[in-house]
Amino acid sequence: EIVLTQSPGTLSLSPGERATLSCRASQSVSSNYLAWYLQKPGQPPRLLIYAASNRATGIPDRFSGSGSGTDFTLTISRLEPEDFAVYYCQQYASSPPLTFGGGTKVEIK
Amino acid sequence: QVQVVESGGGVVQPGGSLRLSCAASGFTFRNYGMYWVRQAPGKGLEWVSFIRSDERNKYYVDSVKGRFTIARDNSKNTLYLQMNSLRVEDTSIYYCARSDSAGAGYMDVWGKGTTVTVSS
Repeated sequence: EIVLTQSPGTLSLSPGERATLSCRASQSVSSNYLAWYLQKPGQPPRLLIYAASNRATGIPDRFSGSGSGTDFTLTISRLEPEDFAVYYCQQYASSPPLTFGGGTKVEIK
Repeated sequence: QVQVVESGGGVVQPGGSLRLSCAASGFTFRNYGMYWVRQAPGKGLEWVSFIRSDERNKYYVDSVKGRFTIARDNSKNTLYLQMNSLRVEDTSIYYCARSDSAGAGYMDVWGKGTTVTVSS
């Protein structure tokens, strides 16, 4: 089973600042089959990034994903008010089980 | 538009059963793998089960093996999750999600979820 560890647990930033979120895998994620999701309170998750660096349809270009192997990063270049939420990474290279990280909450400082 | 809508949640006593449904529309359901994902109150996301588009593969998280059964009816564009021997720790919002492919890919379409509460 691939265990995903996200850090930090909480990120306190101001609108307009840059956010850098980390997702580390316990073993290599083949083909970089890693996705990122955003979840706002009371809403279902929404796909942001797939295959480590590809933005999903309709996702603004301030969101970018990078990384390979065991280390992946989600970067939000300039935080907008609607970006304050919880972010999850997920690997789909090795299943079962398909696994999610524990999440990073991006909160307003 | 492309969407999935869950139903069937509710309050049930420990040891009881529920069947969740997920109605798909706006896409060719039979071409896509489908997932159930859950989220306990105040917790993160947990993958529960997956079924391939042609039903050749079905997978479960260890904690539900032998208790939950995933199924689909491609003629009705509907995904199911039969949940038996429910435990308090199964209390969660259950989301239906579409895989991006016939197999186990990333989840590109999510429903709003249905709430399951297991309590005496």
